[in-house]
Amino acid sequence: AQSVTQLGSHVSVSEGALVLLRCNYSSSVPPYLFWYVQYPNQGLQLLLKYTSAATLVKGINGFEAEFKKSETSFHLTKPSAHMSDAAEYFCAVSVSGGGADGLTFGKGTHLIIQP
Amino acid sequence: DGGITQSPKYLFRKEGQNVTLSCEQNLNHDAMYWYRQDPGQGLRLIYYSQIVNDFQKGDIAEGYSVSREKKESFPLTVTSAQKNPTAFYLCASSWGFETQYFGPGTRLLVL
Repeated sequence: AQSVTQLGSHVSVSEGALVLLRCNYSSSVPPYLFWYVQYPNQGLQLLLKYTSAATLVKGINGFEAEFKKSETSFHLTKPSAHMSDAAEYFCAVSVSGGGADGLTFGKGTHLIIQP
Repeated sequence: DGGITQSPKYLFRKEGQNVTLSCEQNLNHDAMYWYRQDPGQGLRLIYYSQIVNDFQKGDIAEGYSVSREKKESFPLTVTSAQKNPTAFYLCASSWGFETQYFGPGTRLLVL
């Protein structure tokens, strides 16, 4: 079975500062990893995904994540935070491609941007 | 315009009542999923279907039922056996092993 741990239910950064959202996973087989973003009362939008092609994955809106097998981590970063980045972020793992048998999600991190 | 639609946006359930949440997709995706979201809990898988007329239980299937009679549609029924139904319900779909795409969600509230 796989699982995901997101460190920090709330993260606050100043506008223009580095954003770092942490995600650690456990999986008995090579995982597929995803970051999704959710704005209030909306569905989830895919930011980026790791599918074993390259360890550094670039996504939308300037976000990127690095897969580190030795640390079982897939942290999400953005060099300079925008007010529009304020949202809930979810890390998810699957052991079957895009999650043909469903994704396992972390509990989410609420990103707060201070002006 | 391709996408996933969920209706209604808000749904109210009375005690002992069954309610059905609609999920429709026009992306020609084979697989469809239902997740439940509670504050601070992330998303948890209720049911999924990889092909028409077949579906599998997820992690929290008790108190829920589904059907998959058409490729485009995957309705979720919240039965009276579900004692804590208040949550945000999200439907998703994917093509084979590709990325899951999510609908806008339905918020279920108990009167």
